[in-house]
Amino acid sequence: EVRLLESGGGLVQPGGSLRLSCAASGFAFRNYGMRWVRQAPGKGLEWVSGITDGGGTTYYADSVKGRFTISRDNSENTVYLQMNSLRAEDTAVYYCAKAVDRNWFDPWGQGTLVTVSS
Amino acid sequence: EIVMTQSPATLSVSPGERATLSCRASHSVSSDLAWYQQKPGQAPRLLIYGASIRATGIPARFSGTGSGTEFTLTISSLQSEDFAVYYCQQYNKWPPWTFGQGTKVESK
Repeated sequence: EVRLLESGGGLVQPGGSLRLSCAASGFAFRNYGMRWVRQAPGKGLEWVSGITDGGGTTYYADSVKGRFTISRDNSENTVYLQMNSLRAEDTAVYYCAKAVDRNWFDPWGQGTLVTVSS
Repeated sequence: EIVMTQSPATLSVSPGERATLSCRASHSVSSDLAWYQQKPGQAPRLLIYGASIRATGIPARFSGTGSGTEFTLTISSLQSEDFAVYYCQQYNKWPPWTFGQGTKVESK
């Protein structure tokens, strides 16, 4: 069974940092791109970041460029999202997802909540 | 950036009735369109990719049509477990991968 399990969310003050992890199992992790998508409370889905299978290329939404860094460790089957200079508007549930073929997302993890507040 | 627009925002449907959800892209995305279902407190689940191909395990009552800029998700006979929010997503021109704002299907 393909599974994605996020961790690392929590409460952080504005300007602070947090690192999210997404542990993958049940598939050949090293062969797939991975994505982070977030959902602010009561809002829709917003793609945040992506990384290719080998980790050589990364992608970022304009809203997080320069503040967030995506990375992966294929020996640990884990993708990370380092979030710096956090703002109140970064408050959301963060999901990781496996990128399939031409880049639909399947499956998604259960999400981890990040709250940026003083 | 390709903007995805879904309508209506909320659809009130009785169990057993047909539900028709629309998604429009600001530029052609060919057939590079996916639909997801999200229930409260849960992660999104892939329903449809390639505009019309049901994902593994998705019931036949879910169908997707369209290409270019106009897409439709139809639920032929709504079941109680189908009340949820539905999102479309384009993956033709990226980054960014973009989602519609969602359509909530609620019980009439």
